[in-house]
Amino acid sequence: DTGVSQDPRHKITKRGQNVTFRCDPISEHNRLYWYRQTLGQGPEFLTYFQNEAQLEKSRLLSDRFSAERPKGSFSTLEIQRTEQGDSAMYLCASSYHFDEQYFGPGTRLTVT
Amino acid sequence: AQSVSQHNHHVILSEAASLELGCNYSYGGTVNLFWYVQYPGQHLQLLLKYFSGDPLVKGIKGFEAEFIKSKFSFNLRKPSVQWSDTAEYFCAVNAGNAGNMLTFGGGTRLMVKP
Repeated sequence: DTGVSQDPRHKITKRGQNVTFRCDPISEHNRLYWYRQTLGQGPEFLTYFQNEAQLEKSRLLSDRFSAERPKGSFSTLEIQRTEQGDSAMYLCASSYHFDEQYFGPGTRLTVT
Repeated sequence: AQSVSQHNHHVILSEAASLELGCNYSYGGTVNLFWYVQYPGQHLQLLLKYFSGDPLVKGIKGFEAEFIKSKFSFNLRKPSVQWSDTAEYFCAVNAGNAGNMLTFGGGTRLMVKP
């Protein structure tokens, strides 16, 4: 049973550097979501794709953040000029249309 | 914008005790409701969901939740908890026109003492 996978699982970077995360959804799922979770909080929605189209972006997604899903398969989330406030767990989820979302293990980002 | 409140941040129970975790949401339209669980060191997993129909929903591992529309609530219950239920529990809402994005509550950390 192949679930949602994310890479890397952990990333430590210095402030000002760019980072990129990858998410591979469950193969037949057409929707892919990115969330961010900070310590002691629930996940917060960032953006989602239906196939290759990015249909919604949260106000949390500043200009330094960009997400892509070329060919409607895997997705990448890039953060440019990282700040300490970007330190969080970045979660990816996928679903088939409006069905339940399946979450990956997350990428924990630490900005020093 | 919709929001979700989980009033119990930390709950400590002994094994065999009954559990009820509160979840209230603010949105006046059609909603889909979920409870997710995160066991230590693991990723979020779906416990149960409500889309429509019977407001009493049964999920995995003996959990159930009741949707009370008039109270904007979707409380999670289990009659007898086990040590293995120690985890963090998240209530989430998807408003009918929100493109399937989930809005999560802040989570409830449950510790079950053996």
